Amino acid sequence: EPEVTQTPSHQVTQMGQEVILRCVPISNHLYFYWYRQILGQKVEFLVSFYNNEISEKSEIFDDQFSVERPDGSNFTLKIRSTKLEDSAMYFCASSERGRGVWAEAFFGQGTRLTVV
Amino acid sequence: QKEVEQNSGPLSVPEGAIASLNCTYSDRGSQSFFWYRQYSGKSPELIMSIYSNGDKEDGRFTAQLNKASQYVSLLIRDSQPSDSATYLCAVKGDGGSQGNLIFGKGTKLSVKP
Repeated sequence: EPEVTQTPSHQVTQMGQEVILRCVPISNHLYFYWYRQILGQKVEFLVSFYNNEISEKSEIFDDQFSVERPDGSNFTLKIRSTKLEDSAMYFCASSERGRGVWAEAFFGQGTRLTVV
Repeated sequence: QKEVEQNSGPLSVPEGAIASLNCTYSDRGSQSFFWYRQYSGKSPELIMSIYSNGDKEDGRFTAQLNKASQYVSLLIRDSQPSDSATYLCAVKGDGGSQGNLIFGKGTKLSVKP
């Protein structure tokens, strides 16, 4: 069964360092997303990406964050200068469409980011 | 601020019973509704989607939607210990773009053998 894959599964970084989280969405999906979940809290939307550009972003997704689809398969989230409060589980998701019955989003297994 | 509310639980049911999970949402323009299951330390796993008023059944799961009351529920019949997890209600608007998922905090379900 097709699945969203994320690497690495766990990343430890020092405050102020840049990190890149990687995702390979399901191959026939057109919409890609990043969500995050701080320990014990709800899953929060960060950004959606369609047709090689950001289509929506939340207030969390400030200038420290960027996304890219560097090739036909990978989708990355970059955090330029990590802060302690960026420590969270980051989930990549993809969906075939953006709305309607094909808008079901499937999540990768997540990358646990720990900023020390 | 668009909100999705769920009772955090824990909801404890005996094995074989029906578990009933509820969710309300604030945005009347919401069009798509999803239930995800999340085991501790794992990612959300989609178990049901519903788009129109009424019931939708899939195996032991039934999702119910009432847009007038802005209410979504999930029934799990013949609950099994393996159903013990946190159940996340997620709502998607249908605004100008595709809209993002807004999640509730989740209801923790415990099924006792």
